Amino acid sequence: GAVVSQHPSRVICKSGTSVKIECRSLDFQATTMFWYRQFPKKSLMLMATSNEGSKATYEQGVEKDKFLINHASLTLSTLTVTSAHPEDSSFYICSAHPGGSTNEKLFFGSGTQLSVL
Amino acid sequence: GENVEQHPSTLSVQEGDSAVIKCTYSDSASNYFPWYKQELGKGPQLIIDIRSNVGEKKDQRIAVTLNKTAKHFSLHITETQPEDSAVYFCAASSGGYQKVTFGTGTKLQVIP
Repeated sequence: GAVVSQHPSRVICKSGTSVKIECRSLDFQATTMFWYRQFPKKSLMLMATSNEGSKATYEQGVEKDKFLINHASLTLSTLTVTSAHPEDSSFYICSAHPGGSTNEKLFFGSGTQLSVL
Repeated sequence: GENVEQHPSTLSVQEGDSAVIKCTYSDSASNYFPWYKQELGKGPQLIIDIRSNVGEKKDQRIAVTLNKTAKHFSLHITETQPEDSAVYFCAASSGGYQKVTFGTGTKLQVIP
């Protein structure tokens, strides 16, 4: 099956610093990638849709200047949490779609646990 | 928008028993229903999916059933094993991969 690699798996940073999370599709090209946030014992909350070569589409309530998304190639999307604060601490997950209008399958990265001190 | 409810939130079964997780959805236009397994500290993994033109699908010990009229679908795991312990999420989509709504998750514990 399709493989999505996400790095780092865990990051601890000081308040006020920025953190970049990478999401790579290893064996397929992904024109669309998605970024989610997951709180403990909760479901996945879609933050934004990342489209290769264009601006990301953010869900209501998600600050685009806070969570910068770049999808510069067909295999890489990055999420940068800018000026991180303790309330940004969470589990962040990406997913990628292999393409094809009749293919609905999504493949997920392994997640990144962000802890802001 | 779509609303997906999932029950139970936690489920404990003895090894070898069956486990059933149920979901309901609100949007009658939903036509794709995937199930994901998430282990602690990892991302969700697609384990089985079903489209609205099919009532049941089986893959070894895992099966999914869909009742379009009642707008509910279920995951059945037979002969459960300790490695089945994880959080399971159902999801529904009316717009392919672009509009996937996840359920609230079920933590399954298989007791050896």
